[in-house]
Amino acid sequence: SQKIEQNSEALNIQEGKTATLTCNYTNYSPAYLQWYRQDPGRGPVFLLLIRENEKEKRKERLKVTFDTTLKQSLFHITASQPADSATYLCALGTDSWGKLQFGAGTQVVVTP
Amino acid sequence: EAQVTQNPRYLITVTGKKLTVTCSQNMNHEYMSWYRQDPGLGLRQIYYSMNVEVTDKGDVPEGYKVSRKEKRNFPLILESPSPNQTSLYFCATHTVGTEAFFGQGTRLTVV
Repeated sequence: SQKIEQNSEALNIQEGKTATLTCNYTNYSPAYLQWYRQDPGRGPVFLLLIRENEKEKRKERLKVTFDTTLKQSLFHITASQPADSATYLCALGTDSWGKLQFGAGTQVVVTP
Repeated sequence: EAQVTQNPRYLITVTGKKLTVTCSQNMNHEYMSWYRQDPGLGLRQIYYSMNVEVTDKGDVPEGYKVSRKEKRNFPLILESPSPNQTSLYFCATHTVGTEAFFGQGTRLTVV
């Protein structure tokens, strides 16, 4: 069955360092992969989208890579700040029928 | 402004009393979905809809119903709520290949 795995353990990181999160998937051929940020009790908010034919995408301090051979995406937050503390979700989608499937998310805690 | 509006935000109800959570979007998106989120389990899809009158089960559809009579609305119906349906619910909408927009969430407690 299709599976999306994100590290369930919280990532504790010091301010200014780079946080790296992993999203692995199996039995899936996604056309694109997305990353979202979620704060407690609130709906996820879109951050970045990367397509299957793209290797890397950047937006300000965020960087996403997508390796369809390894079936993995890495999400980096550079120069992390306490305001970056949140749960980050990856989501996979196909163009053919549009269903989005989410991973369980990884909590990031940035300490000053 | 792009909006996904869920109501109510909070609801406490008793076992067996039918309830409806409404969801409305103003972006003319084809796809709408309902998710529930429980600690440690992440977002799990309940039902989704690809367009008006087209719906399909997600990963955890038991105990829920949906309908899509208009493109902008996608209500979630619990015919006979049970305590294991206590959860945080999100409605989301998107167009194929683009970002999803989520509602503010509905925190449901069934006693």
